[in-house]
Amino acid sequence: EAGVVQSPRYKIIEKKQPVAFWCNPISGHNTLYWYLQNLGQGPELLIRYENEEAVDDSQLPKDRFSAERLKGVDSTLKIQPAELGDSAVYLCASSLAGQGAYNEQFFGPGTRLTVL
Amino acid sequence: AQSVTQLGSHVSVSEGALVLLRCNYSSSVPPYLFWYVQYPNQGLQLLLKYTTGATLVKGINGFEAEFKKSETSFHLTKPSAHMSDAAEYFCAVGGPNSGYALNFGKGTSLLVTP
Repeated sequence: EAGVVQSPRYKIIEKKQPVAFWCNPISGHNTLYWYLQNLGQGPELLIRYENEEAVDDSQLPKDRFSAERLKGVDSTLKIQPAELGDSAVYLCASSLAGQGAYNEQFFGPGTRLTVL
Repeated sequence: AQSVTQLGSHVSVSEGALVLLRCNYSSSVPPYLFWYVQYPNQGLQLLLKYTTGATLVKGINGFEAEFKKSETSFHLTKPSAHMSDAAEYFCAVGGPNSGYALNFGKGTSLLVTP
């Protein structure tokens, strides 16, 4: 079974440019997470989807970040315009969440963004 | 709110020695606790988790952790380090209140020397 797929793996852009990251979760997983991992830090949640609904986007900087999960499968995270401080690894994770039950989150390899 | 604190950003052990990575948590509700490992340029892999039940949990690659409520700790151990254990280790806390979204510690880099 394929794991969580993310693309691109690496992206280098100049500041003020837009950038988009794509995530394909494990087939059948209804919950999708985007995390931001700064160098030397643990991942931090940006947004959580249950199916196509963003149920927690409280940590997403909405002035420049946006995300979508059309049809409740693939998801795209966008930054426009990018700033130097956005240089980080963007991780996508998915799980099959159920009522009152924990199910493991599976992480993709991440997209490493460098903003020059 | 739930959070974890990992004590020691870098830990160095000799091959064959005991590995001990420390994690303390803060949570107002019964926590779900996790340890993840991250190898360079790879995603996070779950080592083990505590949700309910037995407080000593065993994970992959010979790792185990013990949930100690009285000490608010969830330290990760392995009796004998192997060179392949060198990686970044993250403790995390989550639960149903957050849709199982995880709050991670800052990580501990484990170095294994010959």
